[in-house]
Amino acid sequence: DTAVSQTPKYLVTQMGNDKSIKCEQNLGHDTMYWYKQDSKKFLKIMFSYNNKELIINETVPNRFSPKSPDKAHLNLHINSLELGDSAVYFCASSLGGDGNTIYFGEGSWLTVV
Amino acid sequence: DQQVKQNSPSLSVQEGRISILNCDYTNSMFDYFLWYKKYPAEGPTFLISISSIKDKNEDGRFTVFLNKSAKHLSLHIVPSQPGDSAVYFCAASDTGNTPLVFGKGTRLSVIA
Repeated sequence: DTAVSQTPKYLVTQMGNDKSIKCEQNLGHDTMYWYKQDSKKFLKIMFSYNNKELIINETVPNRFSPKSPDKAHLNLHINSLELGDSAVYFCASSLGGDGNTIYFGEGSWLTVV
Repeated sequence: DQQVKQNSPSLSVQEGRISILNCDYTNSMFDYFLWYKKYPAEGPTFLISISSIKDKNEDGRFTVFLNKSAKHLSLHIVPSQPGDSAVYFCAASDTGNTPLVFGKGTRLSVIA
């Protein structure tokens, strides 16, 4: 069983569309994250949720809206997609948020054309 | 600004030899360091960690060394195996305050 699963794995969409990436973890963790790996290969945190509450919201356009219906799920919704949003988005989870070992999903490869 | 730097984008090593991957950091508040390994089309997987109270942590073929005064850590893999070929990310955290900060990664190629 996949510990952190995210769907879709690949997504090609046009500029201006709205899309969502879903993430679920079955590890019983209380903290979930979204990371973005950009073209320069940096893995940068976007959001962090602890027990469904937003803990970290880095400088991310407000077109990106995370939603956590429960502590096992953290979905990422992106409005009005732009070319620069093309990247690999990784969902992750950990037990606690204090730099504990983070477990990553396989990544969702988003291409905006 | 890059708080965690992996200055070598790639490294090639012969099978059986030692691989040494380096990482430098600038934030003196970081006190927990991790290495992640990433295969193509997969998410990063945790490899080994070290807290700032130690200067060495070993797990099988993998050893991480921490030099706090130099703000430098390194991952040693010995002996290197072809299956070790992957991208290795160094990450650091100021526990209790910040999330993990990742370096850009170093692509290791182990040649048979």
